[in-house]
Amino acid sequence: AQSVTQLDSQVPVFEEAPVELRCNYSSSVSVYLFWYVQYPNQGLQLLLKYLSGSTLVKGINGFEAEFNKSQTSFHLRKPSVHISDTAEYFCAVRGAAGNKLTFGGGTRVLVKP
Amino acid sequence: NAGVTQTPKFRVLKTGQSMTLLCAQDMNHEYMYWYRQDPGMGLRLIHYSVGEGTTAKGEVPDGYNVSRLKKQNFLLGLESAAPSQTSVYFCASSLIGAEGTQYFGPGTRLTVL
Repeated sequence: AQSVTQLDSQVPVFEEAPVELRCNYSSSVSVYLFWYVQYPNQGLQLLLKYLSGSTLVKGINGFEAEFNKSQTSFHLRKPSVHISDTAEYFCAVRGAAGNKLTFGGGTRVLVKP
Repeated sequence: NAGVTQTPKFRVLKTGQSMTLLCAQDMNHEYMYWYRQDPGMGLRLIHYSVGEGTTAKGEVPDGYNVSRLKKQNFLLGLESAAPSQTSVYFCASSLIGAEGTQYFGPGTRLTVL
């Protein structure tokens, strides 16, 4: 079984400032890792994913995440946020042999002007 | 391509009433999923299906039933709604395989009084 912990439930940040959203996971098997974004009153959209290979993964809208196996983390970063990045962000994990996602509790990002 | 669509978008039920949520996808995906989203708890898997005519329980299946009579449709039923089932429900679909990125619908907001 896997579990995901998103350490911050809310992150306020000023426009053009950097942001980091923390995600830690636990699993006894190899995993695939995902970040999804949910804009207000919408469904979830995939931001980026780590399946294998380079531990630094680049996604849409200028986001990137780094997979750290020793620390079992997959933190999401963006060097300069925009008002339009206001959303809730979910980290998720999937066992390499399975098909089910386990989600973290989500982090709400509020970008202030 | 419409992607994943959900019907209805909103619904208010009284305790004990029944209803069915419809999910449809036009991407020819084999796998389909039903999640519920509650504040601070991320998304939790209710039921899922790995193909037409097959369904399986997820993390929180009690009080729900599902059917997948056609590959493109996945129905979620509440036989006797309870206030604890007040939530936002999301459907998702994915291909078989190592990648397995899930694509989400816009959600159904259900209130049980």
